[in-house]
Amino acid sequence: EAGVAQSPRYKIIEKRQSVAFWCNPISGHATLYWYQQILGQGPKLLIQFQNNGVVDDSQLPKDRFSAERLKGVDSTLKIQPAKLEDSAVYLCASSWTGGANTEAFFGQGTRLTVV
Amino acid sequence: AQRVTQPEKLLSVFKGAPVELKCNYSYSGSPELFWYVQYSRQRLQLLLRHISRESIKGFTADLNKGETSFHLKKPFAQEEDSAMYYCALTNAGGTSYGKLTFGQGTILTVHP
Repeated sequence: EAGVAQSPRYKIIEKRQSVAFWCNPISGHATLYWYQQILGQGPKLLIQFQNNGVVDDSQLPKDRFSAERLKGVDSTLKIQPAKLEDSAVYLCASSWTGGANTEAFFGQGTRLTVV
Repeated sequence: AQRVTQPEKLLSVFKGAPVELKCNYSYSGSPELFWYVQYSRQRLQLLLRHISRESIKGFTADLNKGETSFHLKKPFAQEEDSAMYYCALTNAGGTSYGKLTFGQGTILTVHP
């Protein structure tokens, strides 16, 4: 089966600019996650969708980050305006049901550099 | 608050030697534990999960609730095991919907 697709793979922007990342999950996966991975750290959940509804966005910096999952399939994560500390790899993952024992499948990630 | 700690950022062994990657966790509820692996230039993928009690690529991990640990072990390391390994947990019940909390990761290097 095709894996989780993310684009772009790399992005370099100046601080205070805006940027958007796109994710296409595995077909049929109801749950979609966005994780932020800062260099030297493990991934940290930003937001979780179940179909097109938000399940958990407690760690999303809502003053600058936003995400949507229209029609319960593709998702977009946006940062506006970007800060230097937003430099990280942004990982999208999806799973069938989002249950505790459900395997999460990850995309290749988007590496963001804010200068 | 839930937390996963991997005390070793780097671990080096020789081919054929035993390897153990340490993972400790703190969680007030009933956790499910996982090991994820990322090989060079590949995406993050599931290696094994506690609930399955399986051995994958010769790796095993035992959940020790008394010591709150979930160490990953392999009796004879191979060069192809060189990768970044992440320990992760999620809530076994409630409405967490599979949200994963990851450790900082351990880079394993297996020398020939």
